[in-house]
Amino acid sequence: GENVEQHPSTLSVQEGDSAVIKCTYSDSASNYFPWYKQELGKRPQLIIDIRSNVGEKKDQRIAVTLNKTAKHFSLHITETQPEDSAVYFCAASRREGGYNKLIFGAGTRLAVHP
Amino acid sequence: EAGVAQSPRYKIIEKRQSVAFWCNPISGHATLYWYQQILGQGPKLLIQFQNNGVVDDSQLPKDRFSAERLKGVDSTLKIQPAKLEDSAVYLCASSLEVEGNYGYTFGSGTRLTVV
Repeated sequence: GENVEQHPSTLSVQEGDSAVIKCTYSDSASNYFPWYKQELGKRPQLIIDIRSNVGEKKDQRIAVTLNKTAKHFSLHITETQPEDSAVYFCAASRREGGYNKLIFGAGTRLAVHP
Repeated sequence: EAGVAQSPRYKIIEKRQSVAFWCNPISGHATLYWYQQILGQGPKLLIQFQNNGVVDDSQLPKDRFSAERLKGVDSTLKIQPAKLEDSAVYLCASSLEVEGNYGYTFGSGTRLTVV
């Protein structure tokens, strides 16, 4: 089955700097890669996702890149702000029988210091 | 759009007791998932429903966990008997599963503490 590894486990940056979180996956058939943000005590919320037919997707200060050959994808946050502090989870899945089954990484705790 | 509703928000039980969690997905979302999130870890899939049928329950500890989704709408997850290691947040999620829209929407979760 799919296995997703995520690093670093913790990341501390100064406000305004960029943050990069990387994930690798094992199943070459995986074709959908979302990123979730989870603030303390709250539910995970989808912030961006990418499908395997594109290499990069951007939404304002957030971007995701995908390297299918190397089986890794990354989340890039530019001009970080204190409200970006949270735990970020990557996930991978493939459509099988019409369904997704998301397998999550262990998470990265991002701290943005003013 | 109303979100995914879960109850209760918190539950404390003694080991060997039983507990049940309830989830009501977003209206129209045919696919429903239960995830277990242990502190400091990513969510782990327990069971996946499509309407009222089970799609995947390979990670569900069936000797103590059970889940159902009668009528293909809301769902319950039960643990009987509970163990200390079951302490976690139990997240319910639903998705629309149509072309171009595969994102999950999570509920707020039920935080279970087994003492």
